[in-house]
Amino acid sequence: EVQLVESGGGVVRPGGSLRLSCAASGFTFDDYGMSWVRQAPGKGLEWVSGINWNGGSTGYADSVKGRFTISRDNAKNSLYLQMNSLRAEDTALYHCARVYCGGDCYFDAFDIWGQGTMVTVSS
Amino acid sequence: QSVLTQPPSASGTPGQRVTISCSGSSSNIGSNYVYWYQQLPGTAPKLLIYRNNQRPSGVPDRFSGSKSGTSASLAISGLRSEDEADYYCAAWDDSLSGALFGGGTKLTVL
Repeated sequence: EVQLVESGGGVVRPGGSLRLSCAASGFTFDDYGMSWVRQAPGKGLEWVSGINWNGGSTGYADSVKGRFTISRDNAKNSLYLQMNSLRAEDTALYHCARVYCGGDCYFDAFDIWGQGTMVTVSS
Repeated sequence: QSVLTQPPSASGTPGQRVTISCSGSSSNIGSNYVYWYQQLPGTAPKLLIYRNNQRPSGVPDRFSGSKSGTSASLAISGLRSEDEADYYCAAWDDSLSGALFGGGTKLTVL
């Protein structure tokens, strides 16, 4: 079964850091680009960041640029999001998503989604 | 406020045809593909339409997508109660060098 499972969420104080992980299974991980998409409570979807198959190309939303870093470890079939200088507005459910186009891109159809991991930034 | 503009709500009765619009600009919808996602309450989003009008396997042909200029539409025919969900459009934006989602449309089946 093709599956994405996120972990690493939690409660953190403003200015703190957190590292999210996304474990992939059921498909050849390094054949695909990946992205992170978040959803604040009661709000819509927001693309956060994306990475191509080998990590050589990455992209970030303006709202997280300079604070978040996306990476991947193909040997471990895992995607990561390092989040620093967290703000209250980063509070959201963070989903990882597989990118349909194949390897050398990080935006196209998000054809597989994980259930998400919740990040709460609060003092 | 999203750069891709969707109506916040839409509604229809069972069997009816409804459309949801997504309005953008030349830097996003006008020059890139549009995607549509369905999010049922309490679940992760699901890909409904990709590259303007393509349906993934398993998505009923009651769902269709179209694009014209800087706007796109999702049409749902033969409306069913299980179609009650939030619907989001998405596109790449060349000016932002980032992806955008619309604000979402909550579809109610009356």
